[in-house]
Amino acid sequence: DGGITQSPKYLFRKEGQNVTLSCEQNLNHDAMYWYRQDPGQGLRLIYYSQIVNDFQKGDIAEGYSVSREKKESFPLTVTSAQKNPTAFYLCASSIAGSGTDTQYFGPGTRLTVL
Amino acid sequence: EDKVVQSPLSLVVHEGDTVTLNCSYEVTNFRSLLWYKQEKKAPTFLFMLTSSGIEKKSGRLSSILDKKELSSILNITATQTGDSAIYLCAVEAEGKLIFGQGTELSVKP
Repeated sequence: DGGITQSPKYLFRKEGQNVTLSCEQNLNHDAMYWYRQDPGQGLRLIYYSQIVNDFQKGDIAEGYSVSREKKESFPLTVTSAQKNPTAFYLCASSIAGSGTDTQYFGPGTRLTVL
Repeated sequence: EDKVVQSPLSLVVHEGDTVTLNCSYEVTNFRSLLWYKQEKKAPTFLFMLTSSGIEKKSGRLSSILDKKELSSILNITATQTGDSAIYLCAVEAEGKLIFGQGTELSVKP
């Protein structure tokens, strides 16, 4: 079964803690993306990677970090520097990072900071 | 600054009604416009539009792009309760997707 998986589905974090969200895809896609979704604000791009060992900041990268050591995996770390991390996080992938490639989304992780 | 704006932000209709959702954009180097449907979790792809004036259709859903007006509409005819969702519009520019705020559609029986 090909697809994108994200884990965990729900995550609770205390203030001041770093937490890592997992995103794995077995679609053989080159490009992967992380978005944050808040009510009434649509999706905002955090980081994206068009190839292994390379990634770029999106519109709201502050307080987040990523790595892309393997094609299949693009974990996102929410650091204690992120001032308002409670949100729904979506990972996506596409065949390549070009405009003609549709992005496919994972099921999301809902992060709540206590 | 690139931006995508959707309207209305929310909409409540009854089964059988026809709805039109709007998306307008201002981006540098437009490449394509995409519509997604999001029901609680992962957005699912509906349409990709690259050429102006050509309607894309899938069952009761259809969409068209107007590059002159920098906008797109998504039509849903004979709505059903299963159409209740957030509809997201996104524009691809310079290798990234820029999303609008979404339109939350609620279809009442």
